[in-house]
Amino acid sequence: EAGVTQSPTHLIKTRGQQATLRCSPISGHTSVYWYQQALGLGLQFLLWYDEGEERNRGNFPPRFSGRQFPNYSSELNVNALELEDSALYLCASSFSYGMTGELFFGEGSRLTVL
Amino acid sequence: AQKITQTQPGMFVQEKEAVTLDCTYDTSDQSYGLFWYKQPSSGEMIFLIYQGSYDEQNATEGRYSLNFQKARKSANLVISASQLGDSAMYFCASLYNTDKLIFGTGTRLQVFP
Repeated sequence: EAGVTQSPTHLIKTRGQQATLRCSPISGHTSVYWYQQALGLGLQFLLWYDEGEERNRGNFPPRFSGRQFPNYSSELNVNALELEDSALYLCASSFSYGMTGELFFGEGSRLTVL
Repeated sequence: AQKITQTQPGMFVQEKEAVTLDCTYDTSDQSYGLFWYKQPSSGEMIFLIYQGSYDEQNATEGRYSLNFQKARKSANLVISASQLGDSAMYFCASLYNTDKLIFGTGTRLQVFP
């Protein structure tokens, strides 16, 4: 069974540009989470989608946005890129929260902003 | 391939009791870091505790301690004096030289009065 897949693996952009990251959850999973891992230790919560709806949002500016498609895949968009947006962006999927709760992570997309 | 295994899908503990959440890791790297995170129903990930592979003493942070047994490749989380607010999903993760963060699939902890 395929795991959570993220694309692209690496992305290099310049300041002011837009970046789009994609995530395909495990088949049957309806929840998708996005996290930002910057500067080694920190894992910051970005967004949570479930059944196509945004369930919760972390403390990030509005230029971080996303959506979940009918097939439950998800897209994270970052507009007006800034240098500090350089990070590893992790996507995770699960059944709707409240069921097993197990979370499966993708390998991440490394975004570098120059 | 690097892998984190959490074999307990769910755990129950009575308030004020201690609980151990299991985590084993698989790596041939000499340098790595081990983390535990708590995920409440809001979806965020709350960092709890960190252990470096070269740290000789077990990490402790308040009521959280990490029982690090390098030879067995285990990094169990011990929560002492459980509280109702500890009910959540708990994830073990490892960070390797490549700056790659690998997560286990989590353990749901339920604390009952």
